[in-house]
Amino acid sequence: KQEVTQIPAALSVPEGENLVLNCSFTDSAIYNLQWFRQDPGKGLTSLLLIQSSQREQTSGRLNASLDKSSGRSTLYIAASQPGDSATYLCAVRKETSGSRLTFGEGTQLTVNP
Amino acid sequence: GAGVSQSPSNKVTEKGKDVELRCDPISGHTALYWYRQRLGQGLEFLIYFQGNSAPDKSGLPSDRFSAERTGESVSTLTIQRTQQEDSAVYLCASSLVLLAGTGELFFGEGSRLTVL
Repeated sequence: KQEVTQIPAALSVPEGENLVLNCSFTDSAIYNLQWFRQDPGKGLTSLLLIQSSQREQTSGRLNASLDKSSGRSTLYIAASQPGDSATYLCAVRKETSGSRLTFGEGTQLTVNP
Repeated sequence: GAGVSQSPSNKVTEKGKDVELRCDPISGHTALYWYRQRLGQGLEFLIYFQGNSAPDKSGLPSDRFSAERTGESVSTLTIQRTQQEDSAVYLCASSLVLLAGTGELFFGEGSRLTVL
């Protein structure tokens, strides 16, 4: 059974800092990995998707890397802003068509002005 | 539609009543998922549809929960004889079938269910 762990559970940083969120998964036979953002009381917003054959994806100040063999992904946020405050979730999809995503518990990020 | 749409956004019901939650996926997305998120917890998979069939409904917590999808579009999640432990946000997501796209999931805003 796939298990996804995110560390740390919560993180508070001053504005402007670069930071790294970690995601690990127990079964390396994944199809892809997706990072989401969730604001309080809202649904999930897709940030980045990395296919199993890829090593990283970038979007603006966000960079996600994937080391499939070691079961790890990191989300790097550059020059953090108060608007980045949210819960960040990673999720992996198994190596079979149409299968469910398994989610981590998330990292709650607070960026202080 | 432009995004995944869910209704109602909020539902308060009494214990023992039945509720229906609706999801309109992104137009053309043949894969549809339901997840549940209890307060302060992670996302719990409920059921997956490919077209109108559900190849994976292993996450439905009890026989009080059922879901259907028609016209490869709208899906309805029904909870019968609601219990207080059913209180949660129910999230719907859709994606293109993997052979046609990356499999990226797009979520709706969720339906918040409160059972008194």
